[in-house]
Amino acid sequence: DAGVTQSPTHLIKTRGQQVTLRCSPKSGHDTVSWYQQALGQGPQFIFQYYEEEERQRGNFPDRFSGHQFPNYSSELNVNALLLGDSALYLCASSLGGTGNTDTQYFGPGTRLTVL
Amino acid sequence: AQTVTQSQPEMSVQEAETVTLSCTYDTSENNYYLFWYKQPPSRQMILVIRQEAYKQQNATENRFSVNFQKAAKSFSLKISDSQLGDTAMYFCAFMNLYVIDKLIFGTGTRLQVFP
Repeated sequence: DAGVTQSPTHLIKTRGQQVTLRCSPKSGHDTVSWYQQALGQGPQFIFQYYEEEERQRGNFPDRFSGHQFPNYSSELNVNALLLGDSALYLCASSLGGTGNTDTQYFGPGTRLTVL
Repeated sequence: AQTVTQSQPEMSVQEAETVTLSCTYDTSENNYYLFWYKQPPSRQMILVIRQEAYKQQNATENRFSVNFQKAAKSFSLKISDSQLGDTAMYFCAFMNLYVIDKLIFGTGTRLQVFP
């Protein structure tokens, strides 16, 4: 049973650039959530995708956008990168039909460094 | 808004001993989940244990158990027979039940198990 996978593992960008991070959910899961974890902090919720739509969003600017594909995999896009976007980006998958909440399982993360 | 507080930035324990990590939370909701996640140096966030707020019985998973005090909004994690592999950051997290929602994390406790 494949767990949550993320790519790439590490990424280095410069300010102003754009980046795309990818996530494949655990087998059988249909919901993907993205979190940003700054160094020494707990993860902060960015947004959640279900049925190819963003259904909840945290307190992040519009520079952060996402997409979910029919196979439930997801992308996180960040435009106009700032130094403060340097963080570990975690993807979590769950089974989340309407009104349901279930345990989220995390991928290994993508470490983004903005220079 | 819900908040999660972990007041112990760092803890240490000798191998084979028992350690308790503290977590308090604030919410006006009555139905919710609480979680403990472990994040070793490999960065992968791993689910340790889950507690449903409507269950009076404390959750246990092998050497891991919780002390859930709903009235006091307290949710501590006890690790028995500590092992070197338990060395990691431990995060307490909150999630609403019956509502499509995200995880709200505390700031974490760094646990060091030494021989």
